[in-house]
Amino acid sequence: EVQLVESGGGLVQPGGSLRLSCAASGFIFSSYSMNWVRQAPGKGLEWVSYISGSSNTIYYADSVKGRFTISRDNAKNSLYLQMNSLRAEDTAVYHCARGVGVVGGSYYYFDYWGQGTLVTVSS
Amino acid sequence: QAVLTQPSSLSASPGASASLTCTLRSGINVGTYRIYWYQQKPGSPPQYLLRYKSDSDKQQGSGVPSRFSGSKDASANAGILLISGLQSEDEADYYCMIWHSSVWVFGGGTKLTVL
Repeated sequence: EVQLVESGGGLVQPGGSLRLSCAASGFIFSSYSMNWVRQAPGKGLEWVSYISGSSNTIYYADSVKGRFTISRDNAKNSLYLQMNSLRAEDTAVYHCARGVGVVGGSYYYFDYWGQGTLVTVSS
Repeated sequence: QAVLTQPSSLSASPGASASLTCTLRSGINVGTYRIYWYQQKPGSPPQYLLRYKSDSDKQQGSGVPSRFSGSKDASANAGILLISGLQSEDEADYYCMIWHSSVWVFGGGTKLTVL
C-alpha cells in the first residue's frame, strides 16, 4: 500500500525557516517523481515544487522560487522541502504527492497524496 | 485574470447530473490542454478522478466510477467534469488542473453540494 506521511510543520515567525519531510513507503521511491502541493486554510490547491526521481529536474512555482528548496534522499525513501524567508502567505497545509507520467509528455498527474502538515507563519 | 476559473459553488439534486466547468483564460486554447480533475472531501487530501483532452486522449482514475466523465466546450474555452446519477457521497470540492508554462496550475475549485 502506498503511503506518504508528511512531518515538520509548525508555527514559525515571518522570515524564519522550516524543513518539511515526507516519508514514502509501499512503492519504489526512486522510480517516481514527487511534488509538494499546498492549501491555505479554507482555500484552493497550489502546486509548489517538483523533483524528478533522480533529482535531475526540479521546478518551482514563482511564489516560492528562491526561497524554497526541494530535495530527496532515495536511500531513505524521503522527500524534503526546505523553506526559508517564510511569509504569512506561506501559511498552509503542505501535501507531498507522487507523480505518474512524464512532465510535458502525454500525461502527468498526482496519483497519491499525503494527509499534509500544517505550516503557520505568524508573529 | 486567473489561468483557470471555476465557479465557487454548485448545487444539484440526488440522481441528477452536475456539470462543473473549468474556463481557461482568454488566449489559452482549451483544445491544446489535458485537463485533470481532482476531488477533495473535508479533512482528506485530493483524489485524482480523470484527465481529458479529447475522446481519444482521456483516462479514468483507478477505481473512479464511470458516472464521472470529462469533456470540453470549445466555444466556451472550458473543460467540463460531468457527474451523472449524483449521490450524497459526491458532495466535495472539485479542482481542475493543467500544465501551463512549465508549472501546474489549479483552478480555484468548485464546492458541489448534493441536496
